[in-house]
Amino acid sequence: DIVMTQSPDSLAVSLGERATINCKSSQSVFYSSDNKNYLAWYQQKPGQPPKLLIYWASTREAGVPDRFSGSGSRTDFILTISSLQAEDVAVYYCQQYYSTPTFGQGTKVDIK
Amino acid sequence: EVQLVESGGGLVQPGGSLRLSCAASGFTFSSYAMSWVRQAPGKGLEWVSGISGSGTNRYYVDSVKGRFTISRDNSKNTLFLQMNSLRAEDTAVYSCAKTELRWAGWFDPWGQGTLVTVSS
Repeated sequence: DIVMTQSPDSLAVSLGERATINCKSSQSVFYSSDNKNYLAWYQQKPGQPPKLLIYWASTREAGVPDRFSGSGSRTDFILTISSLQAEDVAVYYCQQYYSTPTFGQGTKVDIK
Repeated sequence: EVQLVESGGGLVQPGGSLRLSCAASGFTFSSYAMSWVRQAPGKGLEWVSGISGSGTNRYYVDSVKGRFTISRDNSKNTLFLQMNSLRAEDTAVYSCAKTELRWAGWFDPWGQGTLVTVSS
């Protein structure tokens, strides 16, 4: 199975500042036949199920604010929140769907 | 609006069985793969099982192979997870999720989940 490792485990960012979450896969999740990275990002707030933010590593789901962006390729990916808002406090997960789905361990984002 | 509502969770003794259901609405159920994903208390996410839209193809994480069976009734827009030989480590909130792309795609949306507690 592909192991997904996120860093850091938690971070605290001031309101309006940038938050950056890293996700590394144990093998490439880039499929050359369609030139796509098989990676998604989710946001989970307390007591709620995860919400899809991004798929194909950088395609924002409809309705997701444009302060959320995804980047990276093959084994190294980044989720960026360009200007942290209070409602962004949550745990964020990456997930690969190149093979049997696996998730990163999660990154908790708080307000500094 | 897509809605997924799970039911069937509860307290069960080790070695026992439970059958989870997920009632789907708001989309053409048979056109989409579906999955079960679990989250142990205070822990991260683990994909458990997936099934193709027709129900022909089924997939499982290694830790539940031979114990769990995923199925679906497309005439009733319902997804199931039969869980046998339950262990303490199966304790988690189990959520169903509409699965994009294929059986192993991204999950959107998720149901609220149903809690399964395996304890004597």
